Amino acid sequence: KAGVTQTPRYLIKTRGQQVTLSCSPISGHRSVSWYQQTPGQGLQFLFEYFSETQRNKGNFPGRFSGRQFSNSRSEMNVSTLELGDSALYLCASSLVTGGSDTQYFGPGTRLTVL
Amino acid sequence: KQEVTQIPAALSVPEGENLVLNCSFTDSAIYNLQWFRQDPGKGLTSLLLIQSSQREQTSGRLNASLDKSSGRSTLYIAASQPGDSATYLCACDPGGSYIPTFGRGTSLIVHP
Repeated sequence: KAGVTQTPRYLIKTRGQQVTLSCSPISGHRSVSWYQQTPGQGLQFLFEYFSETQRNKGNFPGRFSGRQFSNSRSEMNVSTLELGDSALYLCASSLVTGGSDTQYFGPGTRLTVL
Repeated sequence: KQEVTQIPAALSVPEGENLVLNCSFTDSAIYNLQWFRQDPGKGLTSLLLIQSSQREQTSGRLNASLDKSSGRSTLYIAASQPGDSATYLCACDPGGSYIPTFGRGTSLIVHP
């Protein structure tokens, strides 16, 4: 069974631009969560989607948004990029909801904002 | 607000040693606790998930324990190997709305 895939793996943008990251969960998994990982803040929860609905949201500004499609694939969008948005963005999928089931993580998208 | 602390931040041991990684959390009202492994530049791999009603979980050479009353969890690695070198993170799930809190991790190096 294929694992969680994320595209693109690496991305370089400039301040003010916007970016869209994609995540394909493991087949059959309905929950997708997104995380931001930086050396300064560690791993922080962005949001979780389940059956195309955002169930939970972390403490991030409205520039960070996401969505989930009927096939459970998910995208996250960051608008008006800032230097501090440079990070490794990870998505994770689980069978039901992220909390009660084991989460399977993708390899991440490394975003660099110049 | 839940705070998760992992001690030590870094650890270097010779191959074959048994070792213990620590994770402490401030709010004992957790739904479960997970231990993850992260290799450099890569995503996380779930190692063990302990439900709040459980005291420990085992997988191969790994054993994780949970003591909610004291706000602590430990990950025990038996007979460490160079392939165990990675960063180990613990995450607490508060239940209800799933917004997990991660520790900063313990960076482990096992040298031959």
